[in-house]
Amino acid sequence: EIVLRQSPGTLSLSPGERATLSCRASQSVSSSNLAWYQHKSGQAPRLLIYGASSRATGIPDRFSGSGSGTDFTLTISRLEPEDFAVYYCQQYGSSPPTFGQGTKLEIK
Amino acid sequence: QVQLVQSGAEVKEPGASVKVSCEASGYTFTNYDIYWVRQATGQGLEWMGWMNPNSGNTGYVQKFQGRVAMTRDASISTAYMELYSLRSDDTAVYYCARKGVAVPGPYYSDYWGQGTLVAVSS
Repeated sequence: EIVLRQSPGTLSLSPGERATLSCRASQSVSSSNLAWYQHKSGQAPRLLIYGASSRATGIPDRFSGSGSGTDFTLTISRLEPEDFAVYYCQQYGSSPPTFGQGTKLEIK
Repeated sequence: QVQLVQSGAEVKEPGASVKVSCEASGYTFTNYDIYWVRQATGQGLEWMGWMNPNSGNTGYVQKFQGRVAMTRDASISTAYMELYSLRSDDTAVYYCARKGVAVPGPYYSDYWGQGTLVAVSS
């Protein structure tokens, strides 16, 4: 199965700053079948990005995804207070789908 | 609007089994696969398997083979995940999630249930 490694483990930033989260796969993710989710404690995960760069319905345009092959990035252009959460990448190009271990985005 | 509503928290002893339900609304239940994902305390998300509500076909991650059953009652738009022979390391929040597209193969999840805590303790 494909192993996804996210970095950094924790990212400390202030509202208004730019966040860059990385997701690296152990082998190429076919057809850029990679998604990003936001997860807040006690809530359901929320789909942000699919197909590496397509925003899900209702997701603000400050969230963007990029990358292909084995290297993918989630960028949040200007952090809002509600953006502080844990972010997971997931590949669904091969079975079984797998998740990264998560990046915690915390307020500095 | 699409909603997935899960059953409440459970406390089980080691060796017991648990059955979590996931009631879907706001869409045609039989058109989209249901996935089950869990998160142990302090850990990341772990994908467990899928169930096709139309055919009842399932697929499980090898780790759970022989210990999990994903079923459905299409008449009430409800999916179930039953986990047997519970161990302490099965303590986790279990989520159901809808597959994002109605096509074959693995995909992302666009809607998730609120999660069900299953605690395994003697």
